[in-house]
Amino acid sequence: DAKTTQPTSMDCAEGRAANLPCNHSTISGNEYVYWYRQIHSQGPQYIIHGLKNNETNEMASLIITEDRKSSTLILPHATLRDTAVYYCIAPPGNTPLVFGKGTRLSVIA
Amino acid sequence: DAGVIQSPRHEVTEMGQEVTLRCKPISGHNSLFWYRQTMMRGLELLIYFNNNVPIDDSGMPEDRFSAKMPNASFSTLKIQPSEPRDSAVYFCASSNLAGGKETQYFGPGTRLLVL
Repeated sequence: DAKTTQPTSMDCAEGRAANLPCNHSTISGNEYVYWYRQIHSQGPQYIIHGLKNNETNEMASLIITEDRKSSTLILPHATLRDTAVYYCIAPPGNTPLVFGKGTRLSVIA
Repeated sequence: DAGVIQSPRHEVTEMGQEVTLRCKPISGHNSLFWYRQTMMRGLELLIYFNNNVPIDDSGMPEDRFSAKMPNASFSTLKIQPSEPRDSAVYFCASSNLAGGKETQYFGPGTRLLVL
């Protein structure tokens, strides 16, 4: 199970891009990187995942470095509703998700 | 689609009492997960089922905890007897792929307080 390291907390101004980093230097070749977020008092919510290529969906973009040892989740125009804890997870094979401490993102008006 | 349904949403009980948490997964999903979240330990996976069969219960804290999935549309997590340290938010999640990590949908959680 690739260990992931994320900053404990980050601030972002409303309307600006929020860039959330994640280090996963021990990731193996077939391990995907998943991002979930948890808004206060709610269950976690899937955001995006990727293996090698950069990915984009309606919620966010995921940039994975060429060596796959780190990635960045980008929320292009953060809103107050994006304030949440963001989890970066890299579980091997068919093993279930294991949530760490995540990054607490505060979007400030 | 109603999403994952959990009941009760809040539960307050006294130490030593039996507590039963309930979960109805999204229709058609074949994997179900139980998580527990506390400030100290974060979000922990307790047990997960695939096609109603328990696959991994290594996260279940002790024998006081038990989980069942009698059919594809219902699961229970039981604590007997309950203790104050069991106070937490318990989440149920379901997925339509075995161990599907990108397709896990979480319920709203049950907030348990054991006095």
